[in-house]
Amino acid sequence: DGGITQSPKYLFRKEGQNVTLSCEQNLNHDAMYWYRQDPGQGLRLIYYSQIVNDFQKGDIAEGYSVSREKKESFPLTVTSAQKNPTAFYLCASSMDGRGEVRETQYFGPGTRLLVL
Amino acid sequence: EDKVVQSPLSLVVHEGDTVTLNCSYEVTNFRSLLWYKQEKKAPTFLFMLTSSGIEKKSGRLSSILDKKELFSILNITATQTGDSAVYLCAYAGGSQGNLIFGKGTKLSVKP
Repeated sequence: DGGITQSPKYLFRKEGQNVTLSCEQNLNHDAMYWYRQDPGQGLRLIYYSQIVNDFQKGDIAEGYSVSREKKESFPLTVTSAQKNPTAFYLCASSMDGRGEVRETQYFGPGTRLLVL
Repeated sequence: EDKVVQSPLSLVVHEGDTVTLNCSYEVTNFRSLLWYKQEKKAPTFLFMLTSSGIEKKSGRLSSILDKKELFSILNITATQTGDSAVYLCAYAGGSQGNLIFGKGTKLSVKP
């Protein structure tokens, strides 16, 4: 089945620790995105990538890093510099091109990050 | 600054009721407006609207866009308990290619 997978479902981080969230898609989509969702808030963009080996900062990139070495994968690292990492993290992808297909983003099931 | 405002923030109805969720936007480079339904986990895509006045329908759900007045509505008729979710509105048009989301409307449908 085609789709987007995220792992783990839950992740616990200790103080000063870097943790990496996985995002994989087999939809052959060019663009991938990471969003953060806090209670009562909309989704906020952390990083996005429109093509392999290229990525751009979103609105709240501080304390996070990403890589895009393969089309299918877009891992997000939450570094120790991110002082308030507790949130629900959503990965999304969309097909490059024009029109409705490009605009529509499909989401993975999310990873909930908690700080110990 | 581009923004998307949804109202109400939360809504409680009974099964069989009809509800209307609102989304207004202030953006500089509008391309499209999208509606998503979020239950426990991932938002799932409902509609994408690009043209004013053209209603999109899927079963009991429908949505329409007014580009002149800068708003969209999502209607759900004959609500069911399975419609309980957070409904997110998002605008696509920024140079980054990402979606800008509103805070969502939490809909609770009571039996």
